[in-house]
Amino acid sequence: EVQLVESGGSLVQPGGSLKLSCVASGFTFSNYWMDWVRQTPGKSLEWIGEINTDGSKTNYAPSIKDRFTISRDNAKSTLYLQMSNVKSDDTAIYYCTSGTYWGQGVMVTVSS
Amino acid sequence: DIVMTQGALPNPVPSGESASITCQSSKSLLHSNGKTYLNWYLQRPGQSPQLLIYWMSTRASGVSDRFSGSGSGTDFTLKISSVEAEDVGVYYCQQFLEYPRTFGAGTKLELK
Repeated sequence: EVQLVESGGSLVQPGGSLKLSCVASGFTFSNYWMDWVRQTPGKSLEWIGEINTDGSKTNYAPSIKDRFTISRDNAKSTLYLQMSNVKSDDTAIYYCTSGTYWGQGVMVTVSS
Repeated sequence: DIVMTQGALPNPVPSGESASITCQSSKSLLHSNGKTYLNWYLQRPGQSPQLLIYWMSTRASGVSDRFSGSGSGTDFTLKISSVEAEDVGVYYCQQFLEYPRTFGAGTKLELK
């Protein structure tokens, strides 16, 4: 069974940092480009960025560029999202996805 | 950025009737390779998005043949024939021709 399981979500203060993880199983993780997508409660989906299969190339949305970093560890079948200098607008559910496969999402709340 | 604009449905849709969801892009998604870089997703209540259609008209694995995608370079339609209870949710179109990848605002389908 294919699974993507995110973790690391929490309440964080504005200007703080947080690292999300996404563990993959049931498919060959190292063969897939992986994305992070977020969703503000009750609103639409926003693409954050992606990483290629070996982790050598990333692309980011302008709204988070230079604040968020996507990385991966294929040996651990794990995708990461390092978030820094977070803002209240970053409050959302964060999903990891290959496009075909999606995690259940993890909540990040930015508030003082 | 490419703007994706989705139309609304005349909700609620009677069970067994067909429903068509429209999506328009601000730029042609037809690549010189002949492929159209458009996805359709369904997000059921309380769940993560699920890929329905990719390359504008190719059904994802396991997706019912009641779902079909069509369109031109900028105007797209997702048709659901004989709507069922499991089709309830929000439908999103997404372009993956250019960065940043962008989603439509979503179209809600309710069942009568």
